[in-house]
Amino acid sequence: RKEVEQDPGPFNVPEGATVAFNCTYSNSASQSFFWYRQDCRKEPKLLMSVYSSGNEDGRFTAQLNRASQYISLLIRDSKLSDSATYLCAVNIGDSWGKFQFGAGTQVVVTP
Amino acid sequence: EAGVAQSPRYKIIEKRQSVAFWCNPISGHATLYWYQQILGQGPKLLIQFQNNGVVDDSQLPKDRFSAERLKGVDSTLKIQPAKLEDSAVYLCASSPTLVASDEQFFGPGTRLTVL
Repeated sequence: RKEVEQDPGPFNVPEGATVAFNCTYSNSASQSFFWYRQDCRKEPKLLMSVYSSGNEDGRFTAQLNRASQYISLLIRDSKLSDSATYLCAVNIGDSWGKFQFGAGTQVVVTP
Repeated sequence: EAGVAQSPRYKIIEKRQSVAFWCNPISGHATLYWYQQILGQGPKLLIQFQNNGVVDDSQLPKDRFSAERLKGVDSTLKIQPAKLEDSAVYLCASSPTLVASDEQFFGPGTRLTVL
């Protein structure tokens, strides 16, 4: 089993709709979780950190489910500009910054 | 604030040749990462530096890959000799400290094609 797994998609989403997807991780000691956005042929950029209590940033909501060992990202009122690959990053057990990235979930927002 | 700089942006070489990539992290960032991202996959950590020391290089193919960060600032990653399967984007990232909650800032990457 991979340490960090994501549904590759693509998730085809009509503009204005809501889309949600998960990222599962295998190391129960993981402490830090992030969602990154990666546009085609570009570098990953931080979208948001994922806190134990969940967090929201505008149309984006991230949640952590420690019991089931997954994080989720929900995008409301999808925009065409949300089309991208969303990578989750999970730190591998220790408190220091070694991260495992998922393979990414592709989201395609259509008019 | 200047971001992470990488060069070259693109490189095409033949198998068995050597290649080197350069990375200059954000000023003041202590931690530097080199990742390999193969098409359709997520970034895979190759090596992590804290200042000029190696924190983790467990996934670095040491028979052909080497990396250094001699003065604790910029870094070079070398492949010698290259194989076809080394074709990928090599991403450099930096973060302020070694703390797991620190955001990583990525450079634009070097796209390597091995023929």
